[in-house]
Amino acid sequence: NAGVTQTPKFRILKIGQSMTLQCTQDMNHNYMYWYRQDPGMGLKLIYYSVGAGITDKGEVPNGYNVSRSTTEDFPLRLELAAPSQTSVYFCASGTESSYEQYFGPGTRLTVT
Amino acid sequence: GDSVTQMEGPVTLSEEAFLTINCTYTATGYPSLFWYVQYPGEGLQLLLKATKADDKGSNKGFEATYRKETTSFHLEKGSVQVSDSAVYFCAPGGSNYKLTFGKGTLLTVNP
Repeated sequence: NAGVTQTPKFRILKIGQSMTLQCTQDMNHNYMYWYRQDPGMGLKLIYYSVGAGITDKGEVPNGYNVSRSTTEDFPLRLELAAPSQTSVYFCASGTESSYEQYFGPGTRLTVT
Repeated sequence: GDSVTQMEGPVTLSEEAFLTINCTYTATGYPSLFWYVQYPGEGLQLLLKATKADDKGSNKGFEATYRKETTSFHLEKGSVQVSDSAVYFCAPGGSNYKLTFGKGTLLTVNP
């Protein structure tokens, strides 16, 4: 049981490039979340999903897109990367029965 | 919307000292309340929770009591260890099982 896995662990992008951050969970959770963590700012919710085929915006969705074609996968797409997207990105999953969220190890992204 | 105010860090303590990290929140109704912990280089993990007023959550020697009248959920530990060095986040629960995280409090415990 791997829990929540994220790839890659680290990535450096040039301004204007695009990439997809991968997130997979093997706990059959319906709820999945993407956060970004900036120093001293806590975690901000980017997008979330309550089940396959259903996604919704969080607090800071601009510059990102998501899809949820399966229960297991919830990729986050960055189009036209900007320096303001330099951050650590965390994926999490959870169930309807509790608020506990299970976090992946994170992806550290630098845009230069 | 929901918001959280956490004690500003960083907090530096000696081993076996008493720890308090304050947390107050604003939210609609009476949400479940959580403390998450992030160890260096890792993702967040649930430390403890309380689901209704006057509940006390506890885990690994940490405790927090849901105070409805003061909308607070302060984290305490009687005797901290070096291994408790981490960032601690307070979070009330919201709609669609979303969490609103505080800015986090960095705790460093010195031997």
